[in-house]
Amino acid sequence: SQQGEEDPQALSIQEGENATMNCSYKTSINNLQWYRQNSGRGLVHLILIRSNEREKHSGRLRVTLDTSKKSSSLLITASRAADTASYFCATATRMDSSYKLIFGSGTRLLVRP
Amino acid sequence: SQTIHQWPATLVQPVGSPLSLECTVEGTSNPNLYWYRQAAGRGLQLLFYSVGIGQISSEVPQNLSASRPQDRQFILSSKKLLLSDSGFYLCAWSEQVEKLFFGSGTQLSVL
Repeated sequence: SQQGEEDPQALSIQEGENATMNCSYKTSINNLQWYRQNSGRGLVHLILIRSNEREKHSGRLRVTLDTSKKSSSLLITASRAADTASYFCATATRMDSSYKLIFGSGTRLLVRP
Repeated sequence: SQTIHQWPATLVQPVGSPLSLECTVEGTSNPNLYWYRQAAGRGLQLLFYSVGIGQISSEVPQNLSASRPQDRQFILSSKKLLLSDSGFYLCAWSEQVEKLFFGSGTQLSVL
């Protein structure tokens, strides 16, 4: 079953604008991660935020985490056409002696030149 | 450095035929290994994960099985494919619960 649900499902913006994607989840987590996928390719890890963190930055990426609301957001600033891709959140939840990552349904981002 | 190999890139199989997808990881020991499936335009569904040789956890009861005969080898199999098995299959590895490293995927079409 899906743990995370991204919002919006699709987003179209102009190059230079900021893109914000949201993720909601249902159970307690160890950490939350964001991934990017270009069409027909594997996923690439972007950023990880732990459950005791509230905000994290990496280059043009900013991630926030609100564990009370069970939600996270990914902000891409000054977007570029090359940012066009699908973006997924993934939550790490405890399973026996290990953890597993459950992915959301993704946000398809189109950045128009 | 670590690398992950997944093959084949594309596969077209008739209904009722067997399946074997292989994934190998290099440059690390005792990785956590995962098989995900992605329907067109959708998110990833966790199928199997493994924390060690011979240790397989199944997430969704289905027509597929997984095996880990060696530390860095993960195999996804089926004895008889169904139309509903079509999809994009992704292998991934991680160290503990940190980030996943994905293979390039296999696009499986069952006709």
